[in-house]
Amino acid sequence: DTGVSQNPRHKITKRGQNVTFRCDPISEHNRLYWYRQTLGQGPEFLTYFQNEAQLEKSRLLSDRFSAERPKGSFSTLEIQRTEQGDSAMYLCASSDAVNTEAFFGQGTRLTVV
Amino acid sequence: DAKTTQPPSMDCAEGRAANLPCNHSTISGNEYVYWYRQIHSQGPQYIIHGLKNNETNEMASLIITEDRKSSTLILPHATLRDTAVYYCIVNAFGNEKLTFGTGTRLTIIP
Repeated sequence: DTGVSQNPRHKITKRGQNVTFRCDPISEHNRLYWYRQTLGQGPEFLTYFQNEAQLEKSRLLSDRFSAERPKGSFSTLEIQRTEQGDSAMYLCASSDAVNTEAFFGQGTRLTVV
Repeated sequence: DAKTTQPPSMDCAEGRAANLPCNHSTISGNEYVYWYRQIHSQGPQYIIHGLKNNETNEMASLIITEDRKSSTLILPHATLRDTAVYYCIVNAFGNEKLTFGTGTRLTIIP
């Protein structure tokens, strides 16, 4: 297993377009997390899945954001009608239990122009 | 979760021990102390965590004061590859989300 994989690594999009990112967690991990990181700040929690169930969402996750984990394996994060303020690094992490180490992917860097 | 306070930056000479402090004076009894680091252009990497006792693994040691209001992460023999932002996080048992602050930017100097 090569760890948590995120695709694409970089995405440039025009304002108003929709974008979708994919995260493939470590295969035996039932927990999957999405975070967002802007320049100079630490990552901020967006949402969390246990298997296919989305159990927690941050207030940062506006109506334009939706995340899915249809079969409890990979996850997608979609942003509709992107805005310049959405420009950030989107990080995915997975773990196999609560309060254990979370393994992060390398992130998808989104630039909205 | 309790708030943490870390110095914004530190330098350490290569080969020496790097000691990174963290204050968490409002920590509760069920809150763990976690350390992650983030090397430039990579996702965060778990280092170590603890509740009350000092902990050691292959990467680092975590020293938690008896009153649990502060802790120190020790990298025993720092290398250039240890240059990164180090995050101290306090997280309650059962809380799935990590709350990152702005961390300490550690620079290892040759």
